[in-house]
Amino acid sequence: DIVLTQSPLSLPVTPGEPASISCRSGQSLLHSNGYHYLDWYLQRPGQSPQLLIFLGSYRASGVPDRFSGSTSGTDFTLKISRVEAEDVGIYFCMQALQTPFTFGQGTKLDIK
Amino acid sequence: QVQLVQSGTEVKKPGASVKVSCKASGYTFTNYAIDWLRQAPGQRLEWMGWIDVGNDRADYSEKFQDRVTITIDTSANTAYMQLRGLRSDDTAIYYCARMSAMARTYFDLWGQGSLVTVSS
Repeated sequence: DIVLTQSPLSLPVTPGEPASISCRSGQSLLHSNGYHYLDWYLQRPGQSPQLLIFLGSYRASGVPDRFSGSTSGTDFTLKISRVEAEDVGIYFCMQALQTPFTFGQGTKLDIK
Repeated sequence: QVQLVQSGTEVKKPGASVKVSCKASGYTFTNYAIDWLRQAPGQRLEWMGWIDVGNDRADYSEKFQDRVTITIDTSANTAYMQLRGLRSDDTAIYYCARMSAMARTYFDLWGQGSLVTVSS
């Protein structure tokens, strides 16, 4: 199974400040079609996960443009340019290159 | 409204089985796959398996292969996940989620989750 390692696991952020979450994969997530099969999800308190970023860097419909995803080899980064109160929750990365799909441990973002 | 609505909380004894339902609405049910995942307390999200609703073909994680069955009722736009031989470490929130069956890339729609508690 593909192992995903997230850091940090806890991320207190002042509103208006940027935030960055890392997800490192134990193996390449590059598909033969040229896309990296790595997604980012946000699980707000008491809610189901929701898709933020797919294929490494593509924002899902309705996701604010302050969220962005990037890739460097097997290292993936989710960036929030200016954190807002509604961004509180647990952020997960997930690989969809092969089954079983696997997830990172989750990064809990809260407001300072 | 595009949504997946799951069945409610279940409390089961060790060794029993549970069947969780996931009713789809607002989209063409047969155009997508339905995957099942679970989130145990303090654990990572865990993928259990999926079914291509268009051709009723299911595939499972090796971890759950012997204990899980995913089925569909297209007349009711509903998917089901049955887990047998329940143990205490099966206590978790179980989610269904939608993914394209052709391009298996991301989950764009999730159910609200169904809590299953296994306790003697």
